[in-house]
Amino acid sequence: EAGVAQSPRYKIIEKRQSVAFWCNPISGHATLYWYQQILGQGPKLLIQFQNNGVVDDSQLPKDRFSAERLKGVDSTLKIQPAKLEDSAVYLCASSLYLGETYEQYFGPGTRLTVT
Amino acid sequence: SQQGEEDPQALSIQEGENATMNCSYKTSINNLQWYRQNSGRGLVHLILIRSNEREKHSGRLRVTLDTSKKSSSLLITASRAADTASYFCATAPYNQGGKLIFGQGTELSVKP
Repeated sequence: EAGVAQSPRYKIIEKRQSVAFWCNPISGHATLYWYQQILGQGPKLLIQFQNNGVVDDSQLPKDRFSAERLKGVDSTLKIQPAKLEDSAVYLCASSLYLGETYEQYFGPGTRLTVT
Repeated sequence: SQQGEEDPQALSIQEGENATMNCSYKTSINNLQWYRQNSGRGLVHLILIRSNEREKHSGRLRVTLDTSKKSSSLLITASRAADTASYFCATAPYNQGGKLIFGQGTELSVKP
């Protein structure tokens, strides 16, 4: 089966600019996650969707980050305006159901550099 | 916030040796998962152990879980150069809908 797709793979922007990332989860996966992984650290959950509804966005910096999952399939994550500390890899993951025993499948990530 | 703490942060071994990585966590969990991340790539799920399980095997991987000590270990036997990667433990806190909290990771280097 096709994996989680993300684009772009790399992005370089200047601070205060805006940027958007796209994710297409595995077909049929109801739950979608966005993580931020800063170099040398483990991924940190930003937001979790179940179909097109938000389950958890407690760690999303809502003053600059936004995410949506229209029609419960693809998702976009936006940063506006970007700060230097937003430089990181943004990972999208999906799982079959909202639940506590299902593994998550990760995409290759988008590496963002903010200069 | 990061829940898991992994030990060691880095590990270098020779091919054929065993590698052991440890993970400690703070809150009650539904399950604990281990992931591998090769340089510059996404994470790959390795194994999941539920809170009512104590040990699980998958190929050359052996995972243990001690909920009383809030700790887990990942053993890779007969390591290969291809096992070189970062390994992360991730905990699924109880009753939080599948959310995963990742540790800082252990960077494993297996020398041929």
